[in-house]
Amino acid sequence: DAGVIQSPRHEVTEMGQEVTLRCKPISGHDYLFWYRQTMMRGLELLIYFNNNVPIDDSGMPEDRFSAKMPNASFSTLKIQPSEPRDSAVYFCASSLQGEDTQYFGPGTRLTVL
Amino acid sequence: GNSVTQMEGPVTLSEEAFLTINCTYTATGYPSLFWYVQYPGEGLQLLLKATKADDKGSNKGFEATYRKETTSFHLEKGSVQVSDSAVYFCALILGAQKLVFGQGTRLTINP
Repeated sequence: DAGVIQSPRHEVTEMGQEVTLRCKPISGHDYLFWYRQTMMRGLELLIYFNNNVPIDDSGMPEDRFSAKMPNASFSTLKIQPSEPRDSAVYFCASSLQGEDTQYFGPGTRLTVL
Repeated sequence: GNSVTQMEGPVTLSEEAFLTINCTYTATGYPSLFWYVQYPGEGLQLLLKATKADDKGSNKGFEATYRKETTSFHLEKGSVQVSDSAVYFCALILGAQKLVFGQGTRLTINP
């Protein structure tokens, strides 16, 4: 089975540009999570969805960040406009209803110049 | 609130040495506890987990025991290998699906 798929793996952009990160969860999983990893703050949960509905977005840093899940097999995390402090590795993870193990994608390394 | 504290890194050991990475937690109930591992350039992978007190999780020679009395879940391995070099994260989950991670411990094993 394919694991969680994220694209792109690396993104370099300039301050002020829009960035869109993509995630395909494991087929059949009900939950999808977006995390951000930085040296300073470690791993932070940004938002998670259950059955395509956002459940908790309290970790989203500010209005520049938005996430959508239009269907069970696709989610996006958008940053508009991007800033240098958004540079981080962004992970997507998914899990199955009734199970607490989360499966992580390989991450997208974002660099905002 | 719920939180996880793990030992500061980085940790450097020689091959075949004994490994302990300490992890303690604070939680308002009885969480499930996890160790995730992140190899260079990859996402996190579940290493082992325990869902109730006195449970022992084990995988790939690693072990951790859920100790409610000391609110701990220390990771151990009797003989480490170079291939164990990675970042290790202790985590808990309680109620809702939100994983709470420790800060991570970078482990380097020298041949």
